[in-house]
Amino acid sequence: DTEVTQTPKHLVMGMTNKKSLKCEQHMGHRAMYWYKQKAKKPPELMFVYSYEKLSINESVPSRFSPECPNSSLLNLHLHALQPEDSALYLCASSHRLNTEAFFGQGTRLTVV
Amino acid sequence: DQQVKQNSPSLSVQEGRISILNCDYTNSMFDYFLWYKKYPAEGPTFLISISSIKDKNEDGRFTVFLNKSAKHLSLHIVPSQPGDSAVYFCAASGGGKLIFGQGTELSVKP
Repeated sequence: DTEVTQTPKHLVMGMTNKKSLKCEQHMGHRAMYWYKQKAKKPPELMFVYSYEKLSINESVPSRFSPECPNSSLLNLHLHALQPEDSALYLCASSHRLNTEAFFGQGTRLTVV
Repeated sequence: DQQVKQNSPSLSVQEGRISILNCDYTNSMFDYFLWYKKYPAEGPTFLISISSIKDKNEDGRFTVFLNKSAKHLSLHIVPSQPGDSAVYFCAASGGGKLIFGQGTELSVKP
């Protein structure tokens, strides 16, 4: 089983809203990632968690706030986003850092 | 600063022939390399990987070659099938990061 589940699949939110993206895996992986992908561009790394601790923040604006409540779950809290934040948000997990990462199907976010 | 580069945005190949996708990297900290296949509005699907201690890894129709001295890797698909048509991303891992190239759109024509 190499499944990473992301919810919701689609999300439309206003610039004053607060929402959360959720990611879950039950593969026993101890590294989890958030990526952002715009059309015709590669996935862009945002955050990396290793053993439930934030290990990498790629200078992401504070309106994006990650959280790792336990080894199976990863959240991305969104607040006061801008229309340019509209993108496909991808979650991934791997057994540990620097091994194969498996991706979820993504959340298509539209900020209006 | 693009640390992982795929210089060919697109590639068209006849069914049954070999597809060769190329990737270059600049950062010597990368020690694990991966190829992913992606369809629009979906997450990338892992295809094959190679450690920096190897120069070749094979899995069915997919073979990845690594030339460390040239900081270059390639993915060979043989024989190519129409179902292989997708965007292929090269990715490099090191220092806890997994960084993607810009992708190559492969089209396999019947």
